[in-house]
Amino acid sequence: DAGVIQSPRHEVTEMGQEVTLRCKPISGHNSLFWYRQTMMRGLELLIYFNNNVPIDDSGMPEDRFSAKMPNASFSTLKIQPSEPRDSAVYFCASSLEKRDSTDTQYFGPGTRLTVL
Amino acid sequence: AQSVTQPDIHITVSEGASLELRCNYSYGATPYLFWYVQSPGQGLQLLLKYFSGDTLVQGIKGFEAEFKRSQSSFNLRKPSVHWSDAAEYFCAVAKDGSNYKLTFGKGTLLTVNP
Repeated sequence: DAGVIQSPRHEVTEMGQEVTLRCKPISGHNSLFWYRQTMMRGLELLIYFNNNVPIDDSGMPEDRFSAKMPNASFSTLKIQPSEPRDSAVYFCASSLEKRDSTDTQYFGPGTRLTVL
Repeated sequence: AQSVTQPDIHITVSEGASLELRCNYSYGATPYLFWYVQSPGQGLQLLLKYFSGDTLVQGIKGFEAEFKRSQSSFNLRKPSVHWSDAAEYFCAVAKDGSNYKLTFGKGTLLTVNP
């Protein structure tokens, strides 16, 4: 299994530019998560999709952030416009959720974003 | 709201020594608890998890953790540390009994001396 795939691995951009992060979950998984990791705040859940539908986006910082999941094998996290305080490592994770049971979240390698 | 505290930011041990990483949680109901490990430049890998049943949980790479409800703790242990265990370790609790909304601790960085 290829695991969760994220691209790009590193992104450097200038303030005000649009940034798009991409994620391919593990085949067969029905849940997808976007996390942000910073030194100050640690790991935070941004948004959670189940069967391609956003279920919980309460962690999305503000309107500059948006996420989509057009199909079961692809998701994007977009920041527009980007700001220096958005610099962080962004992780995508996926899992297989079944009714009345729980499963492990598998994390991708992350995208390190630097906004200058 | 639930929270997770990892009291030790950085721990250094010698190779072959035993290890215990502390984790305390605050949650009103029965928690779902996890330990993840993050190697430099890598994503998080699940070491073990506790949902119910036996309070001593075995994980991968020789790790184990014990759930102690009376102490609100879920400490991670390993009897003999290897140099390859050097990494950052995160404890997490699931909110509302659902495994999707994980709240992570700030992590403990483990350094292993030869």
